[in-house]
Amino acid sequence: AQSVTQPDIHITVSEGASLELRCNYSYGATPYLFWYVQSPGQGLQLLLKYFSGDTLVQGIKGFEAEFKRSQSSFNLRKPSVHWSDAAEYFCALYGTASKLTFGTGTRLQVTL
Amino acid sequence: DSGVTQTPKHLITATGQRVTLRCSPRSGDLSVYWYQQSLDQGLQFLIQYYNGEERAKGNILERFSAQQFPDLHSELNLSSLELGDSALYFCATSPPTGELFFGEGSRLTVL
Repeated sequence: AQSVTQPDIHITVSEGASLELRCNYSYGATPYLFWYVQSPGQGLQLLLKYFSGDTLVQGIKGFEAEFKRSQSSFNLRKPSVHWSDAAEYFCALYGTASKLTFGTGTRLQVTL
Repeated sequence: DSGVTQTPKHLITATGQRVTLRCSPRSGDLSVYWYQQSLDQGLQFLIQYYNGEERAKGNILERFSAQQFPDLHSELNLSSLELGDSALYFCATSPPTGELFFGEGSRLTVL
């Protein structure tokens, strides 16, 4: 079975501060991993993806994520958060039988 | 803009009714996924089609059905609607590499 865990339901950071959103996965092989962002009332937008190769992947809007096989993690980072980054963030795993499994999401609040 | 088009954007209907949600995929994408997002259940996978054939089934109720047509657009049919069916319904399409591109969603309100 495959699963994705996002341990933080809600995170608040100050504008300009750094951000790290956690994602842990369970899967028997090397998965394809994704981060999506959802603004209120909007669909999900792909931020970045990891298939293989370099474990540090760059995405849109200044986000990056690092794949750590030993920790079964794929944490999302941004060095300096902007108020417009306030949204819900979903980690997802593409694995068995072409199934995409989402985490429960982390809601990011940015204070000015 | 993801390239995935969903209609209608908003829909209000009564319990017991039937509605159809429509999805037009990105050009070239053969896979279509349907998801339901509600406050209490989060993002739930309903069903996937690939080039007209059902590929995978998730937590889809028997009152719900979907199909993908030869032109690759897809429809999700929801019948005998209940209050609890009120949610955002997303369509997503994907290339073979698996990343999903989501539409803006159809917000269904059942009164």
